[in-house]
Amino acid sequence: SAVISQKPSRDICQRGTSLTIQCQVDSQVTMMFWYRQQPGQSLTLIATANQGSEATYESGFVIDKFPISRPNLTFSTLTVSNMSPEDSSIYLCSVGTGQTKAFFGQGTRLTVV
Amino acid sequence: EDQVTQSPEALRLQEGESSSLNCSYTVSGLRGLFWYRQDPGKGPEFLFTLYSAGEEKEKERLKATLTKKESFLHITAPKPEDSATYLCAVRDSGGGADGLTFGKGTHLIIQP
Repeated sequence: SAVISQKPSRDICQRGTSLTIQCQVDSQVTMMFWYRQQPGQSLTLIATANQGSEATYESGFVIDKFPISRPNLTFSTLTVSNMSPEDSSIYLCSVGTGQTKAFFGQGTRLTVV
Repeated sequence: EDQVTQSPEALRLQEGESSSLNCSYTVSGLRGLFWYRQDPGKGPEFLFTLYSAGEEKEKERLKATLTKKESFLHITAPKPEDSATYLCAVRDSGGGADGLTFGKGTHLIIQP
């Protein structure tokens, strides 16, 4: 299994500001993903973080709002830009090991006030 | 569009009372059905991946099964420590995306 570290684990931010969430994996992985888990809702895929190229975003998510970096095979960042209270959620990093398993970090609990 | 529906939304059992959780799915082509356990304040913990109808996997008191339309997570003689939210997710073969589509989960409470 892969060990995934996410930072910060939680934060309270002012509206209009931005927060960058970091995801570090203990081994090289091909696939890294970012999800959002809103209260009472399913986990929703935001984007696939591609190493060496732009992230691939799912419908309803755009790069200007959620810029993603993937500088190498063990690290990625997700920025939540120009935040509003609707962005309050848990943000989760996930990695895939081949096609058989997918592991998650502990999540970042974001509250926007 | 992929869809995953889990039932029931919540389930309360007595310790030792076996039951099953359901996950119904709609995909263009299944490239894996995943089960996770999520404890409050934590990320999902991987349990199983199933790929084809008829496949079964077991881990301690949990057994996952798969048909062409749904998956079941059977819990045998559960203990209070099995209390958690259980999530089901699918990976579709269409569109080239490798991410997962999740259901809303079943919140399971095991009472001593």
